Amino acid sequence: EPEVTQTPSHQVTQMGQEVILRCVPISNHLYFYWYRQILGQKVEFLVSFYNNEISEKSEIFDDQFSVERPDGSNFTLKIRSTKLEDSAMYFCASSRSENTEAFFGQGTRLTVV
Amino acid sequence: AQSVTQPDIHITVSEGASLELRCNYSYGATPYLFWYVQSPGQGLQLLLKYFSGDTLVQGIKGFEAEFKRSQSSFNLRKPSVHWSDAAEYFCAVGPKEYGNKLVFGAGTILRVKS
Repeated sequence: EPEVTQTPSHQVTQMGQEVILRCVPISNHLYFYWYRQILGQKVEFLVSFYNNEISEKSEIFDDQFSVERPDGSNFTLKIRSTKLEDSAMYFCASSRSENTEAFFGQGTRLTVV
Repeated sequence: AQSVTQPDIHITVSEGASLELRCNYSYGATPYLFWYVQSPGQGLQLLLKYFSGDTLVQGIKGFEAEFKRSQSSFNLRKPSVHWSDAAEYFCAVGPKEYGNKLVFGAGTILRVKS
């Protein structure tokens, strides 16, 4: 069964460093998403991406964040200068269309120290 | 603003007993509705979804959910729980014009007693 895969599963980074989280969406999917879950809080939508551009983003997704589809298979989330409050589980998801269900990866746990 | 409420943070049931996890939402119109499950160390797995039509939807692993418009609810049920069902369950809603900008509930942790 096709699945969304995320790497790494855990990442520890120093405050102020740049970090890139990687995702391989399901191959025939066209819409891609990032969500995050801070420990003890709800899963929150960050951004959606279609046709090589951001289609929607939340207030959380400020200038420190960027997304990219550098090739035909990967979808990345970059945090330019990490803060302690960026520590969270980051989930990538993909869907065939904007009105079909999204499938999630297993998440990357980011710890900023 | 859209919101999803899962009133039960933890639920413990005996193996073989029935289960109902509650979900209420606040939304301007009927949204798309989802239940996801997260086992320890795993991602969010889709259990079932409601887009339109029959208000009782069947999902994987023997789960079902019923959409009740009058109560703004989408409760998840299973007639007989297995120990492997122990996990965290998330209800989520998304707007029909853009179904995958999901708003999640806080989750319900299910424990199964043997």
